[in-house]
Amino acid sequence: NAGVTQTPKFRILKIGQSMTLQCTQDMNHNYMYWYRQDPGMGLKLIYYSVGAGITDKGEVPNGYNVSRSTTEDFPLRLELAAPSQTSVYFCAAKEEGDSDTQYFGPGTRLTVL
Amino acid sequence: RKEVEQDPGPFNVPEGATVAFNCTYSNSASQSFFWYRQDCRKEPKLLMSVYSSGNEDGRFTAQLNRASQYISLLIRDSKLSDSATYLCVVNNAGGFKTIFGAGTRLFVKA
Repeated sequence: NAGVTQTPKFRILKIGQSMTLQCTQDMNHNYMYWYRQDPGMGLKLIYYSVGAGITDKGEVPNGYNVSRSTTEDFPLRLELAAPSQTSVYFCAAKEEGDSDTQYFGPGTRLTVL
Repeated sequence: RKEVEQDPGPFNVPEGATVAFNCTYSNSASQSFFWYRQDCRKEPKLLMSVYSSGNEDGRFTAQLNRASQYISLLIRDSKLSDSATYLCVVNNAGGFKTIFGAGTRLFVKA
């Protein structure tokens, strides 16, 4: 049981390039999340999903897109990378219910130059 | 006003000290509350849930005051290994949307 896995661990992009951050969970949790964390700051919600085929915007969705075709996978797409998107990206999964905890992946460190 | 606010610290304490962190939240409809721990350059991990009656897990005690919209975390007999950032976390009704505080940094020194 690997929990939540993310790839790649590190990536350097040039301005204007695009990429997809992968996130997979093997816990069969319906809720999944993407966060970004800038240095010395808290986590900001980018997008979330309450089940396959359902996604919604979080606090900072601009410049990103997501899809949720299966319960397991929740990829995050950056179409035109900008230096402001330099950050650490965390994916998380959670069971339904108020009291359940979120389980995080190890993160992807992205630098846009 | 931020939805979840914490004192960013840092708190610098000697080993064996007792330290308390506070957190306030703005949405009175919030349903569930947690403290997470985040080590440097690592992902956040659940430390403990917070219940209205207060709850304790070893050296850690969490309290919730719904009337004041206030959450606290008390760490007794601090260890070097407690050095981390502590995140206050609030779930909305339904549990699908989670708001993280910016975190309070703790340094425990020998």
